[in-house]
Amino acid sequence: GAVVSQHPSWVICKSGTSVKIECRSLDFQATTMFWYRQFPKQSLMLMATSNEGSKATYEQGVEKDKFLINHASLTLSTLTVTSAHPEDSSFYICSARNPTNNYGYTFGSGTRLTVV
Amino acid sequence: DAKTTQPTSMNCAEGRAANLPCNHSTISGNEYVYWYRQIHSQGPQYIIHGLKNNETNEMASLIITEDRKSSTLILPHATLRDTAVYYCIVRPGGTGSARQLTFGSGTQLTVLP
Repeated sequence: GAVVSQHPSWVICKSGTSVKIECRSLDFQATTMFWYRQFPKQSLMLMATSNEGSKATYEQGVEKDKFLINHASLTLSTLTVTSAHPEDSSFYICSARNPTNNYGYTFGSGTRLTVV
Repeated sequence: DAKTTQPTSMNCAEGRAANLPCNHSTISGNEYVYWYRQIHSQGPQYIIHGLKNNETNEMASLIITEDRKSSTLILPHATLRDTAVYYCIVRPGGTGSARQLTFGSGTQLTVLP
């Protein structure tokens, strides 16, 4: 079945540094990927829609200059958290549309970001 | 996308069937019902989806009422590993343009030994 690989699974960084999270579709092509953020005891909140070969679409309230998204190929989207601060600590999850199960969505395993 | 309403939490005894309800009274004719679950600190996992007919796969069964205003996800023999937050999501399906999934608060299912 369709697999989405997300890396790293966890990362700890210092305040002010940048962190890159990768999301790869391993056995299918994904023209569109989605990035979510989840704070403790809350549901997933969509941050942005990543489109291959074009600019990402950000949800209201999400700073595009802080959360840089690059979708340079049909199998890879990256999210870079720039100048991270402790309030950016969260669980980041990517997903892609799954062409093998009537267009459900496959999710990565998530990245736990802790900014100290 | 249509809004869904789910109970906040449910318990189920191990080995018994878990029946998770979802109300989606404003569902449109082209909207599918999707179910996902999220085990703690993992990404959501697809379970099943349907339009109007009942569906069954190796994980679960989905029962959709005739008026499509509600549905029930059934885990026939719950195990401890089924403890997770279950999300019912309604959105257009099929081969149209990719749109995001909008997650509500879901139901925390706890399977008890």
